Amino acid sequence: EGQLVDSGGGLVKPGGSLTISCAASGFGFTNAWMSWVRQAPGKGLEWVGRIRGKIDNGTIDYAAAVRGRFTISRDDSENRLFLQMTGLKTEDTATYYCTSWTVWGRGTRVIVSS
Amino acid sequence: SYELTQPSSVSVSPGQTATITCSGDVLANKYARWFQQKPGQAPVMLIYKDNKRPSGIPERFSGSTSGTTVTLTISGAQVEDEADYYCYSAPDNDLVVFGGGTKLTVV
Repeated sequence: EGQLVDSGGGLVKPGGSLTISCAASGFGFTNAWMSWVRQAPGKGLEWVGRIRGKIDNGTIDYAAAVRGRFTISRDDSENRLFLQMTGLKTEDTATYYCTSWTVWGRGTRVIVSS
Repeated sequence: SYELTQPSSVSVSPGQTATITCSGDVLANKYARWFQQKPGQAPVMLIYKDNKRPSGIPERFSGSTSGTTVTLTISGAQVEDEADYYCYSAPDNDLVVFGGGTKLTVV
């Protein structure tokens, strides 16, 4: 059974940028479709975006709320997934999880506040 | 836009059967998944492809589908099953949608 470890969260001012990452182990990361899911405090799950595996050309999709501001990428040589966030808004405050749907990270908290 | 509608809360006594529904037009043509999330923890997938159970998930969790509604059934609910439950579907190749979540209370 695999493992995902999210990291890189923190406090950032509105309009700022932050990159979070996720280290994968114990499963076939290279061809895995990986998603970022976030959860605002006290709220439900919200899909952020997804990157397909190498065998599916690594194409990327984003939720409308983050399209144009967030960028998902992956480094298959390092088994790492990234979420680059720019133009951050207070409503982006959430715990961000990386997931393959069967495996989830523990989440990393991002707080956008002045 | 695509929406999946769940009841905000469900309450059941220990040992009873709990049912949580998820409705949306997309479910007529697309598979659903169910996730369980306990406080302070990451979600866990309970059901995929409407009614398939990943290894390690107890048999008391089952999924079914009818038309535009999918249902998660917990047979013989236990106190440890108290959690938030979310349905999920992928209505388009480039989109994923979650339901709003259902808080299950077992008392």
